[in-house]
Amino acid sequence: DAKTTQPPSMDCAEGRAANLPCNHSTISGNEYVYWYRQIHSQGPQYIIHGLKNNETNEMASLIITEDRKSSTLILPHATLRDTAVYYCMRISNFGNEKLTFGTGTRLTIIP
Amino acid sequence: EPEVTQTPSHQVTQMGQEVILRCVPISNHLYFYWYRQILGQKVEFLVSFYNNEISEKSEIFDDQFSVERPDGSNFTLKIRSTKLEDSAMYFCASSYRQGSQPQHFGDGTRLSIL
Repeated sequence: DAKTTQPPSMDCAEGRAANLPCNHSTISGNEYVYWYRQIHSQGPQYIIHGLKNNETNEMASLIITEDRKSSTLILPHATLRDTAVYYCMRISNFGNEKLTFGTGTRLTIIP
Repeated sequence: EPEVTQTPSHQVTQMGQEVILRCVPISNHLYFYWYRQILGQKVEFLVSFYNNEISEKSEIFDDQFSVERPDGSNFTLKIRSTKLEDSAMYFCASSYRQGSQPQHFGDGTRLSIL
């Protein structure tokens, strides 16, 4: 997705925190930052989203910079099952918002 | 936790035949979507559906495609005359509300056109 920029690939050791960056420097005030992932051969899976504040759920934490131009998805204790392609997206709160999947970051968890 | 379910998991069809892919969205969701993913490529939006009508469709969603919510629980995608290039994974998704609520996806139907 041209509206966000992510590294094409990352490795992380099992048990360590995986930190996935995303740049969205032109984000609008009414756009949320969303993260999805796609494990091989499965449907995309929603992870987390946020507008301004940092967010945490049972899967991950989302850290959004104060200027909202970038964010980091944190998987606190990565497991082999977290190996997937991770997608960062900007989603407006208004209108009919289809998801546009870019190339994402391919995260590989190393045993 | 509620899930989006899709059937069948794998559909094999002869070229030119009609195919119907079925989805049961999460029960209180109001917005419904179909996406597809050709092998090795990105997930692509096909169509969105709200209040019993199409909200938006992509260029892929031509006259050969149609969607329906026949009974208040199922959401179907029909391809009238399949082509070889329709071979792909088809994902259904639903959401309670747009924007501030996430879309939840099923595990897809693999459509193979022979």
